[in-house]
Amino acid sequence: DAKTTQPPSMDCAEGRAANLPCNHSTISGNEYVYWYRQIHSQGPQYIIHGLKNNETNEMASLIITEDRKSSTLILPHATLRDTAVYYCIVRSYTGTASKLTFGTGTRLQVML
Amino acid sequence: SQTIHQWPATLVQPVGSPLSLECTVEGTSNPNLYWYRQAAGRGLQLLFYSVGIGQISSEVPQNLSASRPQDRQFILSSKKLLLSDSGFYLCAWGDRNQPQHFGDGTRLSIL
Repeated sequence: DAKTTQPPSMDCAEGRAANLPCNHSTISGNEYVYWYRQIHSQGPQYIIHGLKNNETNEMASLIITEDRKSSTLILPHATLRDTAVYYCIVRSYTGTASKLTFGTGTRLQVML
Repeated sequence: SQTIHQWPATLVQPVGSPLSLECTVEGTSNPNLYWYRQAAGRGLQLLFYSVGIGQISSEVPQNLSASRPQDRQFILSSKKLLLSDSGFYLCAWGDRNQPQHFGDGTRLSIL
């Protein structure tokens, strides 16, 4: 499974964009990049995923470099409720099941 | 829409006691089901996954077992709990090409 590297923590002012980086230099051509977040004492929440192209949904944008060795999750207008641990994951498949390998993520603190 | 239920939300058990955690999914059929564990301050570790009734794959050797007696039911069990079994247990469902979605978890404390 491809491994990911994320900074352990980041701060962001409320209302500003939060840009969370992730390195996945060993990613394979058919592996997707997934982002989840976990608010304290809750289960992880799916945010967004992508293969090659940049993606955007109601929660965030995902920018993947052309060589696919890194990506950035963008929360365009961070709020206090976005304070959470953000996990960047490369998704591998085993037969008909897919496995998510979670690292330790980035703890994002949104401040007033 | 699909929903996933886990219970109980919290559990305190003595060392050596048995364990049964249940997870059920609604609104989908033949989902892939997963059990993860999260130790304090760490990332999630995949324990088991199942692609169908009676089909269980184990990711790490441990004191736990899993069963899938029905299509949308996934059970995590132990005959004798160890202190090291403490943690936050999460059930998830998903299909091959769809994101996995997680339940709210069970926080297990072993005394």
